[in-house]
Amino acid sequence: QQQVKQSPQSLIVQKGGISIINCAYENTAFDYFPWYQQFPGKGPALLIAIRPDVSEKKEGRFTISFNKSAKQFSLHIMDSQPGDSATYFCAATHHPYALNFGKGTSLLVTP
Amino acid sequence: DTEVTQTPKHLVMGMTNKKSLKCEQHMGHRAMYWYKQKAKKPPELMFVYSYEKLSINESVPSRFSPECPNSSLLNLHLHALQPEDSALYLCASSPPTQGVYGYTFGSGTRLTVV
Repeated sequence: QQQVKQSPQSLIVQKGGISIINCAYENTAFDYFPWYQQFPGKGPALLIAIRPDVSEKKEGRFTISFNKSAKQFSLHIMDSQPGDSATYFCAATHHPYALNFGKGTSLLVTP
Repeated sequence: DTEVTQTPKHLVMGMTNKKSLKCEQHMGHRAMYWYKQKAKKPPELMFVYSYEKLSINESVPSRFSPECPNSSLLNLHLHALQPEDSALYLCASSPPTQGVYGYTFGSGTRLTVV
């Protein structure tokens, strides 16, 4: 059973636009929500993460919005660039070692 | 050194072969992980080692055998694999007090079973 549901599966955005990826979860015990970025042939790399006591976190062009009551969180990429083209995974956990990943979103930013 | 190094990068093996994947880190991390990632899918946790002891085995078939000989090295021994085991095998590590909060992934070994 998928513990974290991610949408859309794929996304095409023009350069300079905003990319938005959404995730939803059911387990209210989850207390850590990271986003990973993965380029072809590479392992995932932590992009940004949030805890449930914060509604928004921003790092450069990347922002996580968190809605605890709706059990949803999203990644916003502002001023999207072709170099942002990658697969993005949301994840959630309350376990010290194991992450529950979403199915991933393949983002293509066109010039 | 802030990397997790995995070797080999690519491996093709027959179903009767025995091979090993190697993972090395020199960041002082004391938790190390093996993940399996099929094409266009998220990583799936296989094993967790904490302080060189196996702490999580996610019901992985016995044809996969992990080993953590020291705090810097993690191996995955492969024997009698099936074609469906073809995947990207990712190693990760994290500091002793950070667990999931401090994951660093390697670039993986692309395994093809023929």
